[in-house]
Amino acid sequence: TQLLEQSPQFLSIQEGENLTVYCNSSSVFSSLQWYRQEPGEGPVLLVTVVTGGEVKKLKRLTFQFGDARKDSSLHITAAQPGDTGLYLCAGSMNTGFQKLVFGTGTRLLVSP
Amino acid sequence: NAGVTQTPKFRVLKTGQSMTLLCAQDMNHEYMYWYRQDPGMGLRLIHYSVGEGTTAKGEVPDGYNVSRLKKQNFLLGLESAAPSQTSVYFCASSEHGTKRIAFFGQGTRLTVV
Repeated sequence: TQLLEQSPQFLSIQEGENLTVYCNSSSVFSSLQWYRQEPGEGPVLLVTVVTGGEVKKLKRLTFQFGDARKDSSLHITAAQPGDTGLYLCAGSMNTGFQKLVFGTGTRLLVSP
Repeated sequence: NAGVTQTPKFRVLKTGQSMTLLCAQDMNHEYMYWYRQDPGMGLRLIHYSVGEGTTAKGEVPDGYNVSRLKKQNFLLGLESAAPSQTSVYFCASSEHGTKRIAFFGQGTRLTVV
């Protein structure tokens, strides 16, 4: 059972466009992380959000944690080819070991 | 600053062969993890360790064993490889548990034929 669903699965856009990626669950998470992964590399942590309603900005990337801590979104403004990659969300469960559950990923292609 | 280093980067095994994947971290982290990544499945936790000498099962542990004899190393073993274990394997480490796993290795691409 996949606890974290990401949408869309694939996104192909032109440079300069805006986009939003969604990460949804019926479970509550104590924290949520976003990663970007490039081919042949491991995931690279972009941000961690821990408070319901929290908004964090990283240059042109805006991350929001849902009020109920069940969902999150990543918004990219004026996308650039360097933003191309696989975006993964991952939630830390608030039970026992606090296992980190990964979403299925959104593959983004930004063309010049 | 090496971070998390995995060896080997690529490997092809025949069904039934065994192998060990090595993960080393130089950040003195307590927690270490082994994940596998398959298309459309995200990353799934195989085994993890909360400190030297400790190991525990994740969500997909069958067919794998692990050891953490030294704090900096976390080994993943396949005793009898199966085609279903064809995947990309990632090791990761963290200082304070899963709330912030910031360091992943570059991955090992394993093909079992």
